[in-house]
Amino acid sequence: ETVLTQSPATLSLSPGERATLSCRASQSISSYLAWYQQKPGQAPRLLIFDASNRATGIPARFSGSGSGTDFTLTISSLEPEDFAVYYCQQRSNWPLTFGGGTKVENK
Amino acid sequence: EVQLLESGGGLVQPGGSLRLPCVASGFSFSSYAMSWVRQAPGKGLEWVSSIIGGGGTTYYADSVKGRFTISRDNSRSTLFLQMSGLRAEDTAVYYCAKGMSGSWFECWGQGTLVTVSS
Repeated sequence: ETVLTQSPATLSLSPGERATLSCRASQSISSYLAWYQQKPGQAPRLLIFDASNRATGIPARFSGSGSGTDFTLTISSLEPEDFAVYYCQQRSNWPLTFGGGTKVENK
Repeated sequence: EVQLLESGGGLVQPGGSLRLPCVASGFSFSSYAMSWVRQAPGKGLEWVSSIIGGGGTTYYADSVKGRFTISRDNSRSTLFLQMSGLRAEDTAVYYCAKGMSGSWFECWGQGTLVTVSS
């Protein structure tokens, strides 16, 4: 099983600041990584797939990078609606796995 | 517009069974892989099971293998999760999700809460 480790667990930032979230895989997963955003009481939303491709309707301030075992989600300038929990997920091998999440909170 | 509507959740005793349907609309259901993902209260996301378009290939998390069965009725655009031998640790919100490139979760339902307790 591929274990995904997200860091930090919590990121305290202010609107307008840059957010950098990390996801590390226990083995190489090529570029088979996605990022999701989840707000309280809501279902998750797909942001990024194949490590760097934005899903339909996702603003350009969200970007993903990385390959192999190290991946990054960057939010270039936080908007008030971006404060949420972010999860990474791999589809390189079964079982599909998620990281434990990073909470981006308003400082 | 893609819509996924889960139902069937509720309170069930340990060892009991429950079947969750997810009715899909707004896309060609039979052409897409579908999955179930759950989230225990206050916890992260856990993939449960996936079924590929025609329904011939299924995958399960080890935590539910042998107890849960995923299936689909393409004529009714409906995904199912049959759960048996339920345990307290199965308590979670269960989401159905439409697949993209097979195993990305492109669209999600609103979820249905399953509580396993005596």
